[in-house]
Amino acid sequence: DTEVTQTPKHLVMGMTNKKSLKCEQHMGHRAMYWYKQKAKKPPELMFVYSYEKLSINESVPSRFSPECPNSSLLNLHLHALQPEDSALYLCASSQTGNTEAFFGQGTRLTVV
Amino acid sequence: GNSVTQMEGPVTLSEEAFLTINCTYTATGYPSLFWYVQYPGEGLQLLLKATKADDKGSNKGFEATYRKETTSFHLEKGSVQVSDSAVYFCAQAGAGSYQLTFGKGTKLSVIP
Repeated sequence: DTEVTQTPKHLVMGMTNKKSLKCEQHMGHRAMYWYKQKAKKPPELMFVYSYEKLSINESVPSRFSPECPNSSLLNLHLHALQPEDSALYLCASSQTGNTEAFFGQGTRLTVV
Repeated sequence: GNSVTQMEGPVTLSEEAFLTINCTYTATGYPSLFWYVQYPGEGLQLLLKATKADDKGSNKGFEATYRKETTSFHLEKGSVQVSDSAVYFCAQAGAGSYQLTFGKGTKLSVIP
């Protein structure tokens, strides 16, 4: 099973809302990632969790708050987003660094 | 720093044509190299990988060879199909690194 599952697939939220994106993998991977992808661009790394600890934060605004409740789950809490935050948010996991990452189908987020 | 340069396209080919998408990289040390494919409205799928010089990755008729001398990892397929229409990303991960560096992506359209 090489599946990374993300929910929801689509999300529309107002600028005052609070919502969460969820990601799950059952491959025993110890690294999990959040990426943001704008149209016609490559994914941009936001956060990396390694062994359930935040190891990389690519200077992401505090309105994005990651959480790793256990080795299989990764959440991204959203609060007070701006319209420019509308994008495809991708979760990924890998066994370790320098190994292939497996991506979920993404959450298409629209901020209105 | 590490970088990946790939031909940006778009590339339009007729069915059964030969495909080459060029990819070169700059890195300290010897990174692992990957090709990912993204179909419309979906996440990224790992297409193939190579972890050391002269390795050839292959999958679904696609091939790429890790060339240390030319720091390249060009993607090839002998006969493309309409179903291969997608965006292709070349990527690298440095030794022990959790950060995937992507190229800008190449959009491929295959027409019947």
